[in-house]
Amino acid sequence: EVQLVESGGGLVQPGGSLRLSCTASGFIFSSYWMNWVRQAPGKGLEWVANINQDGSDKYYVDSVKGRFTISRDNSLYLQMNSLRAEDTAVYYCARVSHYHMDVWGQGTTVTVSS
Amino acid sequence: QSALTQPASVSGSPGQSITISCTGTSNDVGSYNFVSWYQQHPGTAPKLMIYEVSKRPSGVSNRFSGSRSGNTASLTISGLQAEDEADYYCCSYAGSSTFVFGTGTKVTVL
Repeated sequence: EVQLVESGGGLVQPGGSLRLSCTASGFIFSSYWMNWVRQAPGKGLEWVANINQDGSDKYYVDSVKGRFTISRDNSLYLQMNSLRAEDTAVYYCARVSHYHMDVWGQGTTVTVSS
Repeated sequence: QSALTQPASVSGSPGQSITISCTGTSNDVGSYNFVSWYQQHPGTAPKLMIYEVSKRPSGVSNRFSGSRSGNTASLTISGLQAEDEADYYCCSYAGSSTFVFGTGTKVTVL
């Protein structure tokens, strides 16, 4: 079964850091671009970052540039630094196939609050 | 990187057809054949319903169809059913390996 499972979410204070992980199974992970997408409480989806198959190309939405870092080895990661209240969201990892996201994880919740 | 514009809500009776619009710009929806649509039920992850403007993944009902005219893409749900009640998001490739989502539309089955 093709599956993505996120982990690493939690409660963190403003200015703090958190590292999210996404573990893939059921497909050749190294063959796909991967996205991180987030959804703030009661809000819509927002594309956050993506990475190519070998990790050499990385792209970010403007609001997280310089604070978040996407990476991968046998799993996908999102290192989040200098966290702000507006980063509070459910974070999903998603497989990218020909410019659409065909497999999604169940999401991990990040709450930034003092 | 501005969000694509969708109506906040659309409703219809069972069996009717509804259409959700998704308006972008010539830098995203209007430039690429890479518009996709996602269905999201409360508390669950999004599910791919349409990709490349009008293609349906295996397993998605043929009651769902997509189209595009200029900078506006559309999702049509025909023969509306109770299970179609959910939030729907469009998404477009926006160049330079980036993506942009729509603002989301809540579909209510009356």
